[in-house]
Amino acid sequence: QVQLVQSGAEVRKPGASVKISCKASGYTFNDYIIHWVRQAPGERPVWMGWIDAAKGNTKYSQNFQGRVTISRDRSATTAYMELNSLKSADTAVYYCAREGTVTREFDYWGQGTLLTVSS
Amino acid sequence: DIQMTQSPSSVSASVGDSVTLTCRASQAISSWVAWYQQKPGKAPKLLIYAASILQTGVPSRFSGTGSGTDFTFTISSVQPEDFATYYCQQVHSVPNIFGQGTRLDIK
Repeated sequence: QVQLVQSGAEVRKPGASVKISCKASGYTFNDYIIHWVRQAPGERPVWMGWIDAAKGNTKYSQNFQGRVTISRDRSATTAYMELNSLKSADTAVYYCAREGTVTREFDYWGQGTLLTVSS
Repeated sequence: DIQMTQSPSSVSASVGDSVTLTCRASQAISSWVAWYQQKPGKAPKLLIYAASILQTGVPSRFSGTGSGTDFTFTISSVQPEDFATYYCQQVHSVPNIFGQGTRLDIK
């Protein structure tokens, strides 16, 4: 069965960086795009960017441009999201999600990783 | 960016009631809409994609319609496990914006 398993909760100080992983299994990793989405407490999910697992192409939201880097390791079937210059406003749950091949919905999601940014 | 305006922000219902949510896109997006259910502390769960296609394993009491700019999501007979928050999402183009969400509460 398709699974996306994310790394555990993180705590960082303002100005630091964090890298969250998303391990995929149960499907052919190279055949799909992986998205990253974050959700602050009580807020709607916010799209951050995506990576084509086969080609490594990326696309980022303008809201995070310059601060976010999405990468993947095909041999490890793992995607990564790195966020730099952290602020308290980056405190949120971060999710990876797989995109359906034709109709683009986010059909499988990771369990989420809580990032807390606090001095 | 294509914005999604979702309403209502909250709705109260009893078990067995029918509930309808709406989403309006800021420009025409054909059928590029998905609907998700989210329970506290959990990831969103896909219910409907391409505006009206039921995801495998999702009960048939959930349905979606619409095309262009106006979309609806209906639960025909609310069950106890349906009390959650629901989001629409446009997948026409990035950024893939989500609606504000509708919280479904027990009346």
